[in-house]
Amino acid sequence: DTEVTQTPKHLVMGMTNKKSLKCEQHMGHRAMYWYKQKAKKPPELMFVYSYEKLSINESVPSRFSPECPNSSLLNLHLHALQPEDSALYLCASSQDSLAGVLPYEQYFGPGTRLTVT
Amino acid sequence: RKEVEQDPGPFNVPEGATVAFNCTYSNSASQSFFWYRQDCRKEPKLLMSVYSSGNEDGRFTAQLNRASQYISLLIRDSKLSDSATYLCVVNTPYGGSQGNLIFGKGTKLSVKP
Repeated sequence: DTEVTQTPKHLVMGMTNKKSLKCEQHMGHRAMYWYKQKAKKPPELMFVYSYEKLSINESVPSRFSPECPNSSLLNLHLHALQPEDSALYLCASSQDSLAGVLPYEQYFGPGTRLTVT
Repeated sequence: RKEVEQDPGPFNVPEGATVAFNCTYSNSASQSFFWYRQDCRKEPKLLMSVYSSGNEDGRFTAQLNRASQYISLLIRDSKLSDSATYLCVVNTPYGGSQGNLIFGKGTKLSVKP
């Protein structure tokens, strides 16, 4: 029932691999987000794109590289990850949160469960 | 003081019980408040937005007390399907913008037959 889709659902990768996570939303939202969630912890914000421009990078290591090809798509490129990067990676979208306008609700995709070996 | 604090639980209640979750937030400039629920190994799903003095949706009632920086969620006549972790979420303004959402650690609810 979610209108935010993510692929793949599961990913196992070695520390030397390069892989990409993909996210797509069909709600006409102009803000998209990447979160990382470890077990029994709340989601932690990684990146925010607003109108296809990166607006927030929460001091994420460069081995994570986001990309927003258009307003519906969001990618997360992974390279040289560490085992501690294993987590659930969640994509979310919302109507854009402009200065002076209250932030809108965020809608999450089902996530990609990543295991780094 | 943590930005968003919740009782971690778990709350174990029988079917039909009324259960209340509490949440406090530290930033008095916050203006948007939400409750999400998250099932095990699933994504968070928006349950309710709380924009003014509170709102009700069926068995669920959310209240906001700005003076005390306190939000609550009340679930009446709880069902087995209500079992989940409930996340209190608050916006944190910064730099002249409305900022982004900060998640509490969540309160786990288990409803038993």
